[in-house]
Amino acid sequence: EAQVTQNPRYLITVTGKKLTVTCSQNMNHEYMSWYRQDPGLGLRQIYYSMNVEVTDKGDVPEGYKVSRKEKRNFPLILESPSPNQTSLYFCASSLVGTAYGYTFGSGTRLTVV
Amino acid sequence: AQKITQTQPGMFVQEKEAVTLDCTYDTSDPSYGLFWYKQPSSGEMIFLIYQGSYDQQNATEGRYSLNFQKARKSANLVISASQLGDSAMYFCAMRAPNFGNEKLTFGTGTRLTIIP
Repeated sequence: EAQVTQNPRYLITVTGKKLTVTCSQNMNHEYMSWYRQDPGLGLRQIYYSMNVEVTDKGDVPEGYKVSRKEKRNFPLILESPSPNQTSLYFCASSLVGTAYGYTFGSGTRLTVV
Repeated sequence: AQKITQTQPGMFVQEKEAVTLDCTYDTSDPSYGLFWYKQPSSGEMIFLIYQGSYDQQNATEGRYSLNFQKARKSANLVISASQLGDSAMYFCAMRAPNFGNEKLTFGTGTRLTIIP
């Protein structure tokens, strides 16, 4: 089954404790991206990657890191999480081109206390 | 810059009625794609329908249709014969070249509630 697998689904952590949210896709998509969703703000892009070893900032990159060492994986790293990073996070992948929508992971609900 | 505007934060609709969710967009790119996604209370993002900027006809997918008015930069979603299972958050999104970052830009969403 074509899918984006994102883990964990739920995570509660404390301020400053490094964490990684994993994302893997099995569709050989070049484009991968991370979004956060907050009430009243819609989904905002954190980082994106056009291919292996090619990553760039989105609209809200502060406090996040990513890497793309393999085509299928695109982990999101929070080196020192803060309460304002409490949010619903989505990983997504797609082919390159404006005619293609995203396939989304199932989301990670992160709470930082 | 790309921008999507959804002006209806919430809507209540009687079951079996048709509903129109509004979406306007702004972009200077001539080539772009417009998408609608559904997010039920479980949280996942479900693709509903796509319209390309050069498509002459409005897109349809089952009970969903997209009312595309290019001159007005409008891409409204129409759901015919609404069902209780249509209660969800709906997001309009646009994908454009955007200087190499072909990201999906999302609106703030419309929460649709279907009343029995």
